[in-house]
Amino acid sequence: NAGVTQTPKFQVLKTGQSMTLQCAQDMNHEYMSWYRQDPGMGLRLIHYSVGAGITDQGEVPNGYNVSRSTTEDFPLRLLSAAPSQTSVYFCASSYGRSGANVLTFGAGSRLTVL
Amino acid sequence: GDSVTQMEGPVTLSEEAFLTINCTYTATGYPSLFWYVQYPGEGLQLLLKATKADDKGSNKGFEATYRKETTSFHLEKGSVQVSDSAVYFCALPPNPNSGNTPLVFGKGTRLSVIA
Repeated sequence: NAGVTQTPKFQVLKTGQSMTLQCAQDMNHEYMSWYRQDPGMGLRLIHYSVGAGITDQGEVPNGYNVSRSTTEDFPLRLLSAAPSQTSVYFCASSYGRSGANVLTFGAGSRLTVL
Repeated sequence: GDSVTQMEGPVTLSEEAFLTINCTYTATGYPSLFWYVQYPGEGLQLLLKATKADDKGSNKGFEATYRKETTSFHLEKGSVQVSDSAVYFCALPPNPNSGNTPLVFGKGTRLSVIA
């Protein structure tokens, strides 16, 4: 099925470890973004990209890196995991290069940092 | 900056009850407005949208009317079902002056419907 695919669905890390959350979409969407969801905080934007080779920071970018080498993929890297990064992470994409368009979300990746 | 404020939950209703989830917004101009729904264990998905003032968005028995006079976009359903149990998010595009950041979301309202 077409859509946004996130892997892994669940991950447990120890403090200081690094990992990459994968996100891929097959809808030829130019716009991709990463959010984190925490209880009582709603969705907070981490990073976003308006096309291949272009990325920008969102509301809570510290501790995360992204790259956009292809239109399809937008991986999120945690450089040195901290317990504060325990969260559910969502990748989303939309057509065009405007942030005003309807977002299609992945199913989420639940990360626990011990 | 542009923002949305939703009523805090959780909201618990009996099956067939009437639902209202309040959403008000602060924005420059008259942006499109959205409601997203997140079912347990899933990502968010678009429920409905309205693109201009006085528009009514509707889907799956849910409705919301874009009211510029009260800067509101309240979500309503006449008769909820157990399957409507989910978290509902109001959203709007960011201020055009803030670049190409994506949709701004409210904090979400959790709805539980009991049989």
